[in-house]
Amino acid sequence: EAEVAQSPRYKITEKSQAVAFWCDPISGHATLYWYRQILGQGPELLVQFQDESVVDDSQLPKDRFSAERLKGVDSTLKIQPAELGDSAMYLCASSPDRVAETQYFGPGTRLLVL
Amino acid sequence: AQSVTQLDSHVSVSEGTPVLLRCNYSSSYSPSLFWYVQHPNKGLQLLLKYTSAATLVKGINGFEAEFKKSETSFHLTKPSAHMSDAAEYFCVVLNAGNNRKLIWGLGTSLAVNP
Repeated sequence: EAEVAQSPRYKITEKSQAVAFWCDPISGHATLYWYRQILGQGPELLVQFQDESVVDDSQLPKDRFSAERLKGVDSTLKIQPAELGDSAMYLCASSPDRVAETQYFGPGTRLLVL
Repeated sequence: AQSVTQLDSHVSVSEGTPVLLRCNYSSSYSPSLFWYVQHPNKGLQLLLKYTSAATLVKGINGFEAEFKKSETSFHLTKPSAHMSDAAEYFCVVLNAGNNRKLIWGLGTSLAVNP
């Protein structure tokens, strides 16, 4: 069964350093999402791509976060510089349709900022 | 705006007893509602979804949920809990309109005792 791949699974970094997360969606899925999940809360959408275009990045802290999906396939989320409050689980999901009804999630990257 | 409220942050049941996880929604439109499950160190998985068809929705692993418009509820149930059901459960509503994205509840942690 096809799955969404994410790497790394765990990342420890010091504040002010740069970090990057990678996501490979299920083949053929045009829509890709990055979420942030703080411990004890539900996921919060950071950015949504339709193919290589950003559809929604209204909740992305653009002063330090960036995301790209250059060829409309895999995607990278970057944080520079990382802050203590960025410690969270970063989830990637993909969907075969544009209306977000069925999303398939990867295992996530757990980030700890010291 | 759409929202969901999960009424219990933590539920504990004994193995073999029924499970009830409660969710109320707020929506100006006929909502699309979902339940997702998150096992430790695993990605989020869709349990079931309601999209204005039958009000009783059956999902995976023996779970089901009933959409009750009069009560604005979408509670998740299972007749008999299994140890493997221990996980975090999220009630989710699809935000309607131009910005179609998932709106997540805070989650309910289900513990299953032997």
